[in-house]
Parts: sequence; structure tokens; C-alpha cells
Amino acid sequence: EVQLVESGGGLVQPGRSLRLSCAGSGFPFGDYAMHWVRQAPGKGLEWVSGISWNSGSIDYVDSVKSRFTISRDNAKNSLFLQMNSLRAEDTAFYFCAKANNFGTVTTGFDSWGQGTLVTVSS
Amino acid sequence: DIQMTQSPSSLSASVGDRVTITCQASEDISNYLNWYQQKPGKAPNLLIYDVSNLETGVPSRFSGSGSGTGTDFNLSISSLQPEDFATYYCQQYDILPLTFGGGTKVEIK
Repeated sequence: EVQLVESGGGLVQPGRSLRLSCAGSGFPFGDYAMHWVRQAPGKGLEWVSGISWNSGSIDYVDSVKSRFTISRDNAKNSLFLQMNSLRAEDTAFYFCAKANNFGTVTTGFDSWGQGTLVTVSS
Repeated sequence: DIQMTQSPSSLSASVGDRVTITCQASEDISNYLNWYQQKPGKAPNLLIYDVSNLETGVPSRFSGSGSGTGTDFNLSISSLQPEDFATYYCQQYDILPLTFGGGTKVEIK
């Protein structure tokens, strides 16, 4: 059974940093692209960033470019999101999601974690 | 960026009703279109991939279709069940950034 477990969320002041982690199990982690998708409370889904299986292809939504960095450690079945210069509008549940095919970063998502809440507020 | 427009944003329906949700892409995305269901407090769940393919374990009352133009897509539920009351999202994966529709909330009438 595929499992994705996020951690690292919490309350942080504007301008500060936070690092999210996602631990994957139950599938060959290193074979799949992985993604971060967020959802502000009561709002819709927004793709944040994706990384290909070998980290060779990475992309971000414009609103987080230059502030967020996605990375992965296939040896430890782990995905990360380093979030710097956080803003109030970054407040959301952050979901880790597994790609649903063997493509690069242009994929759908067939497994999701339970999400971790990031609250940016003074 | 490709904009995904869903309609309606919400609907009320009864158990047993047939429901159709539409999703329109701002440009041709071929068949790179998925549908997700999300229940309150839960992560989304993939229902349909590549316009019309049912994900494993998804009931056959769910179906997806496209008009053939690469811009207009539908999600249908043939006979609404109590567990289907949720929010549904379309998502394109033709071009980065990946984008979702705004969601359609299906509520009990």
C-alpha cells in the first residue's frame, strides 16, 4: 500500500522559513516524479512544485519561484520543500503527491499524503 | 498558464440523480486531463485519468468524456450515491505549471 506522510508544518512568522518533508513507502519511490500541492483553508487546489524521478526536471508555480526549493533523497524515500520568505498567502495545507505515470513532471497524482498545515502569521 | 474553468461551482442533487460537471481548458490539452474527488478534511482522490480511464477501485457509475477538441471535458455520475457528495476537481497535465479547475461542490438536495 502506498503511503505518503508529510511533516514539518506549523505556525511561522512572515519572512521566515520552514522545511516540509514527505516520507514515501509501499512503492519504488525513486521511479516516480513527486509533487507538492497546496490548498488554502476553504479554497481549491494549487500545484506548487514537482520534481522528476532523478531530480533532473524541476518546476514551480510562479508565485513561489525563487522562494521555494523542492528536493528529494531517493535513498531515504523522502521528498522535501524548503520554503523561504514566507508570506501570509502561503498559508495552506501542503500535500505531498505521487505521479501517476512514469513521465517527467507533467503528470497527474494517484496517491496523496494527509497534508500538513502551514500558517504564516505574526 | 492554462486556465481550467469548471462549471457549475456547486450543485444540489438527490441520491439516484445523474450529475454532469464540465471542465474547459483555455487551450488544447489533448487528453491530458484528470478528475479528482475530495471529501472534507481529506486528501483528493484520483477518479479518472486521461479523460476517460477509471482509476482502479473507482465505481463504474463515474465516467469521463471529452468533446474531441482538447478543450471541453465532462465528468458524469450516473446514479448519485450518498458517498459521492464531495468536491470534484479537474486537472491538466499537458503543460507546466500543472493547473486545476476551481472545483465543483456536489451537495445533497
